[in-house]
Amino acid sequence: DAKTTQPNSMESNEEEPVHLPCNHSTISGTDYIHWYRQLPSQGPEYVIHGLTSNVNNRMASLAIAEDRKSSTLILHRATLRDAAVYYCILRDVWGKLTFGTGTRLTIIP
Amino acid sequence: EAQVTQNPRYLITVTGKKLTVTCSQNMNHEYMSWYRQDPGLGLRQIYYSMNVEVTDKGDVPEGYKVSRKEKRNFPLILESPSPNQTSLYFCASSPPLGGNTEAFFGQGTRLTVV
Repeated sequence: DAKTTQPNSMESNEEEPVHLPCNHSTISGTDYIHWYRQLPSQGPEYVIHGLTSNVNNRMASLAIAEDRKSSTLILHRATLRDAAVYYCILRDVWGKLTFGTGTRLTIIP
Repeated sequence: EAQVTQNPRYLITVTGKKLTVTCSQNMNHEYMSWYRQDPGLGLRQIYYSMNVEVTDKGDVPEGYKVSRKEKRNFPLILESPSPNQTSLYFCASSPPLGGNTEAFFGQGTRLTVV
């Protein structure tokens, strides 16, 4: 399975943008890049996904490198409710999500 | 409201006593899967199902069984639970095969086997 590498933890100040990096150098041409987050005591929650082009939705933006070997999740204005573990995942054509250990994001008031 | 419902949310049982964790989704999704989450190991896939009567092993299937008799339900069965199956379990569902769909997760079942 293709793997992703993320920093174990990051901190950000409230109401500032947050850039969460992810490396996926072994990505295949058909893998989609997904981001999920897990709030305390909850199941993972979908954030955003993309294939080649940058993507925006109401929660976040996803910037994908031209060679697709890395991506960055951007939270434009972090709030305390964004404190969670963020997972960068490659989803294959069979639908499988292979989770890594994620990045624990702490928001400082 | 689109949701994946797991029951029970919490369960304490004894070694060897068969148990079933239920999972139900109301989105008519074909693909369903079970994960376990352990400290330091993240979420690992146990079993998955691509449609009714089609199931296959994930990365850590030992000690577990599943069935998919109806599209909406995907129960996880532990025939003889052991303490190493103490974990947090999540069920997930998504539309048909492919990476271009989002997955929906249940709230989790915290299982303790003593």
